Amino acid sequence: KQEVTQIPAALSVPEGENLVLNCSFTDSAIYNLQWFRQDPGKGLTSLLLIQSSQREQTSGRLNASLDKSSGRSTLYIAASQPGDSATYLCAVGRGAGNMLTFGGGTRLMVKP
Amino acid sequence: NAGVTQTPKFQVLKTGQSMTLQCAQDMNHNSMYWYRQDPGMGLRLIYYSASEGTTDKGEVPNGYNVSRLNKREFSLRLESAAPSQTSVYFCASTDPRSDTQYFGPGTRLTVL
Repeated sequence: KQEVTQIPAALSVPEGENLVLNCSFTDSAIYNLQWFRQDPGKGLTSLLLIQSSQREQTSGRLNASLDKSSGRSTLYIAASQPGDSATYLCAVGRGAGNMLTFGGGTRLMVKP
Repeated sequence: NAGVTQTPKFQVLKTGQSMTLQCAQDMNHNSMYWYRQDPGMGLRLIYYSASEGTTDKGEVPNGYNVSRLNKREFSLRLESAAPSQTSVYFCASTDPRSDTQYFGPGTRLTVL
């Protein structure tokens, strides 16, 4: 059974810092890996998706990497802003149906 | 283009009552999903539908039934609600061109 772990569970940083969120998974036979953002009381917004054959994806200040062999992914956020404050969720997709197994999330607070 | 919509947004039930959570997407996606989100447990897959008329169990299907009425709509039914089903329920669909999964705003359900 796939298990997904995110460390740290919570993170507080001053504005402007570059930061890294970590995600690890136990079964390397994945279809893809997605990073989501969730604001309090809201749904999930997809940030980046890395297919199993890819190593990384970039969107603006965000960069996500994937190392299937070691079962790890990282989300790098450059020059953090208060508006980046949210919970970040990592999810591993399995099978052609793209059913997701989620980590517990990292709650990020960026202080002005 | 509304994306994924869910009704109701909030619901309070008494133990033993039944209800149906509604979900619809206007993006012409084939695959749709129901997840529940609980503190300390993260998001877990309840049911999955690859296309109209097909459904498959996810990680936590007990106590739920689903119906894929057509390509747009995927409903989740609680036949006899229990306090353990207090949760936030999310519906999602997958864009087959990118594998990106899109989520609705959620239904916050409390069972007393």
